[in-house]
Amino acid sequence: ETGVTQSPTHLIKTRGQQVTLRCSSQSGHNTVSWYQQALGQGPQFIFQYYREEENGRGNFPPRFSGLQFPNYSSELNVNALELDDSALYLCASSLAGGRVRDGYTFGSGTRLTVV
Amino acid sequence: KQEVTQIPAALSVPEGENLVLNCSFTDSAIYNLQWFRQDPGKGLTSLLLIQSSQREQTSGRLNASLDKSSGRSTLYIAASQPGDSATYLCAVISGSGNTGKLIFGQGTTLQVKP
Repeated sequence: ETGVTQSPTHLIKTRGQQVTLRCSSQSGHNTVSWYQQALGQGPQFIFQYYREEENGRGNFPPRFSGLQFPNYSSELNVNALELDDSALYLCASSLAGGRVRDGYTFGSGTRLTVV
Repeated sequence: KQEVTQIPAALSVPEGENLVLNCSFTDSAIYNLQWFRQDPGKGLTSLLLIQSSQREQTSGRLNASLDKSSGRSTLYIAASQPGDSATYLCAVISGSGNTGKLIFGQGTTLQVKP
């Protein structure tokens, strides 16, 4: 059984650029969620994908968008990067939005730095 | 709006001590509660998940309890070791329909001194 894998591990971008982060979900999981974690804070929910549809979104602007593919892997896209977008981006996979026995499994994250 | 609070924000203890980390939440309508460990700059490792119908879960030296009615959970770590040094995050899983999302506390940063 494979866990959640994220790529890349680190990324440096310039303000105004666009970035795509990738996530492969744990085998058997059909739901992928993305979280943003600023330094010293708890992770904040960005959005969730279930069966290739966005089915929940946190308080993030539309320039944060995503996709889920038929194999349940996912991408997070951020347009028009701002300095405040610098954070650790975490992907988590689960069954049924985490409402079953195993909860959520997280990847190791992508550290995004915007300069 | 669900809010999760963890107390204390930081804790330093000598090796071998038993300790308790606290987590409180404002809305008792949760599906599950999950405790995570995070090492500096790393992702989250799941420690324990307590379903809303359960009162506690145990794994090795860790024991987590849940009292939905009072909106509280505790993580008990027995015989702490330097390798336990990390940030511990509590998160409730809430939502509707097929949407479940984690709402995190700010974490408790634990240092266990040899």
